Amino acid sequence: DTGVSQDPRHKITKRGQNVTFRCDPISEHNRLYWYRQTLGQGPEFLTYFQNEAQLEKSRLLSDRFSAERPKGSFSTLEIQRTEQGDSAMYLCASSLDGLAERNGELFFGEGSRLTVL
Amino acid sequence: GDSVTQMEGPVTLSEEAFLTINCTYTATGYPSLFWYVQYPGEGLQLLLKATKADDKGSNKGFEATYRKETTSFHLEKGSVQVSDSAVYFCALSQNTGNQFYFGTGTSLTVIP
Repeated sequence: DTGVSQDPRHKITKRGQNVTFRCDPISEHNRLYWYRQTLGQGPEFLTYFQNEAQLEKSRLLSDRFSAERPKGSFSTLEIQRTEQGDSAMYLCASSLDGLAERNGELFFGEGSRLTVL
Repeated sequence: GDSVTQMEGPVTLSEEAFLTINCTYTATGYPSLFWYVQYPGEGLQLLLKATKADDKGSNKGFEATYRKETTSFHLEKGSVQVSDSAVYFCALSQNTGNQFYFGTGTSLTVIP
């Protein structure tokens, strides 16, 4: 399977605990995105990497959130001291930088659902 | 800021009915516009796109035309099938491609 994979698919945790999600993008894709989706809403942008560089972060990404992409391949999203408001689906997407006609071809994973009790 | 508004669902149609899902946008400049689809149990995937005014995106029998004068990008299909049941998201991106703004999604159920 050469699509975007995310792990775990579902995480249940207690308030105050730390959680980490992993995303493995399509291997040749140099751009990687994290989005958050809550019930009844569309995906909201969190952050974006070009290779290993984190180039943009949303104001939604509080200081409890940190994302890394250390070698420009897989990425992790860590949430520290989770709150009930963090309960959401966390989506990872990747894309190939380059030709203008490729713009918009985000390839999404199936998401990691976080439930904070 | 940039944003997308799409019609609320859920929408339920009989097979072979005509589909329209409305989408309007607010953005500076000349964004690219997209429709993404999420089938049950799967990730979002690009359905179609248009990168400039009056462009028509099309795929799998779906069409949408980029209307700058009405800031709209409505999704249409002449004859829906049961397999079209999914959630549809309208989205826009400025041409830097760094950030996409999604609508809230419209759930479509097609019944035989």
